[in-house]
Amino acid sequence: GENVEQHPSTLSVQEGDSAVIKCTYSDSASNYFPWYKQELGKRPQLIIDIRSNVGEKKDQRIAVTLNKTAKHFSLHITETQPEDSAVYFCAAKRGPQVGGGGADGLTFGKGTHLIIQP
Amino acid sequence: DTEVTQTPKHLVMGMTNKKSLKCEQHMGHRAMYWYKQKAKKPPELMFVYSYEKLSINESVPSRFSPECPNSSLLNLHLHALQPEDSALYLCASSVEIAGYQETQYFGPGTRLLVL
Repeated sequence: GENVEQHPSTLSVQEGDSAVIKCTYSDSASNYFPWYKQELGKRPQLIIDIRSNVGEKKDQRIAVTLNKTAKHFSLHITETQPEDSAVYFCAAKRGPQVGGGGADGLTFGKGTHLIIQP
Repeated sequence: DTEVTQTPKHLVMGMTNKKSLKCEQHMGHRAMYWYKQKAKKPPELMFVYSYEKLSINESVPSRFSPECPNSSLLNLHLHALQPEDSALYLCASSVEIAGYQETQYFGPGTRLLVL
């Protein structure tokens, strides 16, 4: 099955600096890669996602890059703010499986605790 | 309605009890999911329903029994649970894009404590 590795486990940056979180995946059939932010006691919230036919996607201060050959993808947050402090999870989803009806679950990385220092 | 809702928010049950978790969405999504999340860990997939049919069971013990009565509702029936089953149970639903169920939206979860 799919295995997603995520680094670092904890990242502390000064407010206003950039943060980068990296993930690798093992299954070359994976074709969809979302990033979720989870604050303490809250649900995971989708912040950005990318499909395997795209190399980069940006949404204001957040960007994701994907290297299919190397099987790794990264989250970039610029101009970090205190409200960016949370746990961030990367995830990967396989392409459609026989009998799956087009649906498949996500395999998550172990998470990165991002701390923004004021 | 653009949210996935879950009830109850919290649940405490004994090992001999039977209880059910409920998940609802009115976004017209045709795939729904159950995940389990232990403290300081990522969510782990349990079940996937696609068009109201169980399509994936990640080798979950039979003391967890999912049910999808209609396209908006997903239940998880619990029976004879163990203390190690204490966790946050998250429901998600996904929107179909070009024939594939992709972007998954999570409910707030039910925090379960088994005594």
